[in-house]
Amino acid sequence: DIQMTQSPPSLSASLGDKVTITCQASQNINKFIAWYQQKPGKAPRQLIRYTSTLVSGTPSRFSGSGSGRDYSFSISNVESEDIASYYCLQYDKMWTFGGGTKLELK
Amino acid sequence: QVQLKESGPGLVQPSQTLSLTCTVSGFSLTSNSVSWVRQPPGKGLEWMGAIWSGGSTDYNSALKSRLSISRDTSKSQVFLKMNSLQTEDTAIYFCTLNYGGIHYWGQGVMVTVSS
Repeated sequence: DIQMTQSPPSLSASLGDKVTITCQASQNINKFIAWYQQKPGKAPRQLIRYTSTLVSGTPSRFSGSGSGRDYSFSISNVESEDIASYYCLQYDKMWTFGGGTKLELK
Repeated sequence: QVQLKESGPGLVQPSQTLSLTCTVSGFSLTSNSVSWVRQPPGKGLEWMGAIWSGGSTDYNSALKSRLSISRDTSKSQVFLKMNSLQTEDTAIYFCTLNYGGIHYWGQGVMVTVSS
């Protein structure tokens, strides 16, 4: 099974900051990575598919990049509504989620 | 409009079998895959397994010995069965449909394993 190592586990940011989360796969996943936002009591919401393609309705302050084994996800100009947990997901071979990153306000 | 809805018992006794149903509307199961994902309280997301558009299945290796996923395409339903449940299987269980890299999710169903 492919393993996904996500970091950091938690992140503290001020409104307007740029934050970056990384995921490293245990093997090449050919850019088949998605990024999710999850708020307490809600189902995960997909923000990005195929490394960098925004899903309909995702604000442009969210972005993704990467290739091979290494991928990153960024939020520029953090807003209060972005306070949530974030997960990466590889879907190249079956699925594997990263461990998650909890974004909090500083 | 794609909709997925999970259903099943909210409480299961230890050592018993969990049976869940995911009812899909708006998309064909023969053209898209459906996965089951679970989330224990306060923890992260875990992919459990999937049934692909052709009907084949794959499972998380950690659950493979206990898990079975099947479907009834005429009813647009996907089924999850997991045996030998323990308290650590207490979680919200979600089904999710993959349409070309876009993932549609159900609202989830909370399952508690307790005597």
